[in-house]
Amino acid sequence: EADIYQTPRYLVIGTGKKITLECSQTMGHDKMYWYQQDPGMELHLIHYSYGVNSTEKGDLSSESTVSRIRTEHFPLTLESARPSHTSQYLCASSEVGARDTEAFFGQGTRLTVV
Amino acid sequence: GQQVMQIPQYQHVQEGEDFTTYCNSSTTLSNIQWYKQRPGGHPVFLIQLVKSGEVKKQKRLTFQFGEAKKNSSLHITATQTTDVGTYFCAGRRGFGNEKLTFGTGTRLTIIP
Repeated sequence: EADIYQTPRYLVIGTGKKITLECSQTMGHDKMYWYQQDPGMELHLIHYSYGVNSTEKGDLSSESTVSRIRTEHFPLTLESARPSHTSQYLCASSEVGARDTEAFFGQGTRLTVV
Repeated sequence: GQQVMQIPQYQHVQEGEDFTTYCNSSTTLSNIQWYKQRPGGHPVFLIQLVKSGEVKKQKRLTFQFGEAKKNSSLHITATQTTDVGTYFCAGRRGFGNEKLTFGTGTRLTIIP
């Protein structure tokens, strides 16, 4: 079982609230990712990081922001949640190397903004 | 930007029938990975293909990487109810710091 954890698993929050979704991994992976996925749909990359102090925007524009101050921690923040942000957010990590390795996913955070 | 499409989007098969999903990239890939996501779960890595024309097997699953390294396929022989889920391909244009882009996915439903 992969050592990557997301909290909370489920979150229901009111419009306009600030939220932070936590993601931590204990595998020492340099690469970390955030994907947004609506139920039964494709995964959209919204943020990724190659290591500490490195963050990049993904393919899908997102109003969220991320930070990577420590290797093991890659939190995602929404300053002002809206109903359009309702979705599942999946965090993943992988090693960096000449030959890419698999991405390990967390259990996900299912966010509902009311 | 890089686009990775999969067909079909949905597939319903009778238990015991075969199933195939196809993955097509708009750009040449350095490698292709396949993941399975069970309903309500998170994607789990199945396999990685690196070489042009590579074929790998895992029991009833056969994975193929195209000669041009722009397409791939996953074939399941004699499907079982445990095969239910969404199958995603994922690729990178280069090794190292290239981001991992997932395909659009194929959702497989098994009719008992």
